[in-house]
Amino acid sequence: QKEVEQDPGPLSVPEGAIVSLNCTYSNSAFQYFMWYRQYSRKGPELLMYTYSSGNKEDGRFTAQVDKSSKYISLFIRDSQPSDSATYLCAMKGKSTFGDGTTLTVKP
Amino acid sequence: DAGVIQSPRHEVTEMGQEVTLRCKPISGHDYLFWYRQTMMRGLELLIYFNNNVPIDDSGMPEDRFSAKMPNASFSTLKIQPSEPRDSAVYFCASSMISSTGTYSGGYTFGSGTRLTVV
Repeated sequence: QKEVEQDPGPLSVPEGAIVSLNCTYSNSAFQYFMWYRQYSRKGPELLMYTYSSGNKEDGRFTAQVDKSSKYISLFIRDSQPSDSATYLCAMKGKSTFGDGTTLTVKP
Repeated sequence: DAGVIQSPRHEVTEMGQEVTLRCKPISGHDYLFWYRQTMMRGLELLIYFNNNVPIDDSGMPEDRFSAKMPNASFSTLKIQPSEPRDSAVYFCASSMISSTGTYSGGYTFGSGTRLTVV
């Protein structure tokens, strides 16, 4: 079993939709949780990171962590075509990344 | 800051040849990571350094792979001899720990080296 499982996608939504991206993890030692966005043929770029359970908001993006369930989510409000990318969750510990969910936002 | 700089951007080589990938981390970052990304296996950590010292190389697939960090501003990943299954995008990333010892943020990735071994 992989340490981090990410909803595989791909995901296609209309512009303006709310998007939910999800990951589960198995190692309770993971302390820091991150979301990266990767555009085609580019390196991943850090979108958000969080340490504690609960919600962290940054503009249209909200990261949610539930350590008791070992579940993390990224919500994108009012999605835009420019949000079309692959989103990877990551856990600091052994720098473990999910396989990514490819999102397409259609105008 | 120019960010993490990797070279070359693209590399096409013949099976059996030696390949050297280069990385310049962000100045002041304590940690440097080498990742490999493929469609089949996603993003895999190969090795990481802290203050130029290799800490965990358990992700290095075989003895054909080696990595060095001779100083704080330069690292190399070498594959010798290269094989077609090594074809992938190789990323270098760096990060830092704050003066209090707590984690100060995520990793900054370079643009990657797309390696094709034919």
